[in-house]
Amino acid sequence: DAEITQSPRHKITETGRQVTLACHQTWNHNNMFWYRQDLGHGLRLIHYSYGVQDTNKGEVSDGYSVSRSNTEDLPLTLESAASSQTSVYFCASSSDRTEAFFGQGTRLTVV
Amino acid sequence: GEDVEQSLFLSVREGDSSVINCTYTDSSSTYLYWYKQEPGAGLQLLTYIFSNMDMKQDQRLTVLLNKKDKHLSLRIADTQTGDSAIYFCAEFSSNTGKLIFGQGTTLQVKP
Repeated sequence: DAEITQSPRHKITETGRQVTLACHQTWNHNNMFWYRQDLGHGLRLIHYSYGVQDTNKGEVSDGYSVSRSNTEDLPLTLESAASSQTSVYFCASSSDRTEAFFGQGTRLTVV
Repeated sequence: GEDVEQSLFLSVREGDSSVINCTYTDSSSTYLYWYKQEPGAGLQLLTYIFSNMDMKQDQRLTVLLNKKDKHLSLRIADTQTGDSAIYFCAEFSSNTGKLIFGQGTTLQVKP
């Protein structure tokens, strides 16, 4: 069955380190999204991509970057992790005719 | 820009109906979604509605869309304790390619 997976599920890192969160989908969806979920803010869009080589900034993109070298993967990189980036991160994918399917989330703690 | 607003909390008694409301601002929205998130889990699609529809019914769930007022609601009939969760409203616009979420409504079902 097609699916979307995130790794790692949990990560603890130190302030200033570079961290990459992986997202892999086998739906062959064009659209992929990264969100962070924080209490009181719901899900906020970090970056999104329409397809290979396409990336776009969401509402909270500062300090994050993504790359889309193939259809299946959209890794999220924190260039220099900060405590304010402690959060739960969700990846999602969709086609233009389907709902978005979500990964199980990555809980990131920056100490 | 795009914005999706929801009330943060709703408490009902088991067996009653629950109505969760959502407003959105993007008039180019193509699909509107309701997702459910149980504690510690990812997001699960409950139902969705195309922007050219007024109503959609799916077992205990009824979605109403007022496109003129940009208002979406989710009614859960005969609410059960297992319905306790956070419910997210989301809009997708095929024009912008963005999937934007509200803050989520926490539904508490009392026995």
